[in-house]
Amino acid sequence: AQKITQTQPGMFVQEKEAVTLDCTYDTSDQSYGLFWYKQPSSGEMIFLIYQGSYDEQNATEGRYSLNFQKARKSANLVISASQLGDSAMYFCAMTNRDDKIIFGKGTRLHILP
Amino acid sequence: NAGVTQTPKFQVLKTGQSMTLQCAQDMNHEYMSWYRQDPGMGLRLIHYSVGAGITDQGEVPNGYNVSRSTTEDFPLRLLSAAPSQTSVYFCASSPTAGGPGYGYTFGSGTRLTVV
Repeated sequence: AQKITQTQPGMFVQEKEAVTLDCTYDTSDQSYGLFWYKQPSSGEMIFLIYQGSYDEQNATEGRYSLNFQKARKSANLVISASQLGDSAMYFCAMTNRDDKIIFGKGTRLHILP
Repeated sequence: NAGVTQTPKFQVLKTGQSMTLQCAQDMNHEYMSWYRQDPGMGLRLIHYSVGAGITDQGEVPNGYNVSRSTTEDFPLRLLSAAPSQTSVYFCASSPTAGGPGYGYTFGSGTRLTVV
């Protein structure tokens, strides 16, 4: 069965610093996809970035990049030059051949001015 | 373009009552799913559908039924509400379950309280 683990319940980071949010996953499939979502205090879920298991390069979207280490089964989200608006809950998610998309428990990120 | 529309936004039920949470999308997405979000638990998959007429169970399906008679609609039915079903419910859709850049589009959520 697939599983997503986010070990950091909460993080405090100074504004303008880079942030790494940890995510490890477990699956027996060779083909899978990894996602990151942001949930601000308003409650909506915002898609940030996607990485396919066969993608050779790490995914990047603006200030977001996904540090994909396949052998270690990790898919950490890196936010460069953090901003106050980055304060939110962040979820790592995964899909594989059985079509389910499973989420981790999330990391609450606080950006300090 | 409405995206994913969930109704109602808020609901209070008494224990034992039944109700249906509505979810509709206008993007012709094949994949739809329901999640519940509880503090400290993240989002847990209740049921999902890969197309009209096809549904399957997720992580926490007990106490919930779904059907997918059309591509657009994916209602979630609570058969006999229990206080443990107090949660925020999200409906989401995607062109497919997972593929290059195919992130979910989420509805705005339904906050359900069972007393």
